[in-house]
Amino acid sequence: DAGVTQSPTHLIKTRGQHVTLRCSPISGHKSVSWYQQVLGQGPQFIFQYYEKEERGRGNFPDRFSARQFPNYSSELNVNALLLGDSALYLCASSLGFVSSGNTIYFGEGSWLTVV
Amino acid sequence: GESVGLHLPTLSVQEGDNSIINCAYSNSASDYFIWYKQESGKGPQFIIDIRSNMDKRQGQRVTVLLNKTVKHLSLQIAATQPGDSAVYFCAENPRGGYQKVTFGTGTKLQVIP
Repeated sequence: DAGVTQSPTHLIKTRGQHVTLRCSPISGHKSVSWYQQVLGQGPQFIFQYYEKEERGRGNFPDRFSARQFPNYSSELNVNALLLGDSALYLCASSLGFVSSGNTIYFGEGSWLTVV
Repeated sequence: GESVGLHLPTLSVQEGDNSIINCAYSNSASDYFIWYKQESGKGPQFIIDIRSNMDKRQGQRVTVLLNKTVKHLSLQIAATQPGDSAVYFCAENPRGGYQKVTFGTGTKLQVIP
């Protein structure tokens, strides 16, 4: 079975531009969450979606937005890119809530470089 | 604020020896803990997890120990192999936090052949 898949794997954008990152969860998984990992640090929680509804948001500006589609795939959008947005963006999926005994699995991430 | 952190940023271990990676957490409301392995350029890979109603859980060559009294978590890797070289993160999920997982800063494990 395929794991969590993300696209694109690498991309370079210019300051002020917009970017869309995509994620397909593991088949059957209904929950998707997004994380930002800056070089040398642990991943930081951005968003969580379950059954197409936002269920949680981390401490990120409104330039960051996301959505989940009927097939449970998801998009992360970042507007007005800043140099500090350069990072590895990770998508994670699970069958349901962690509190219900479900494990979170991560994709390989999308490397975003803002120049 | 609440956080999950690690005692040692870098750990060097001889191939074949056992490795122990430690982690301290401060959120007493956390009831689910996970260890992830991250190789260079890749996403975090699930290793093992443990819930707060357990003290110990074993997997293949790995054991996680949870001491809720002192809010301490450890990952033990038996017979460490070169392929175990990576950064290891402990992470916590607070009760009611749905999918939010809070990561520590990571420990780099270097296996010496």
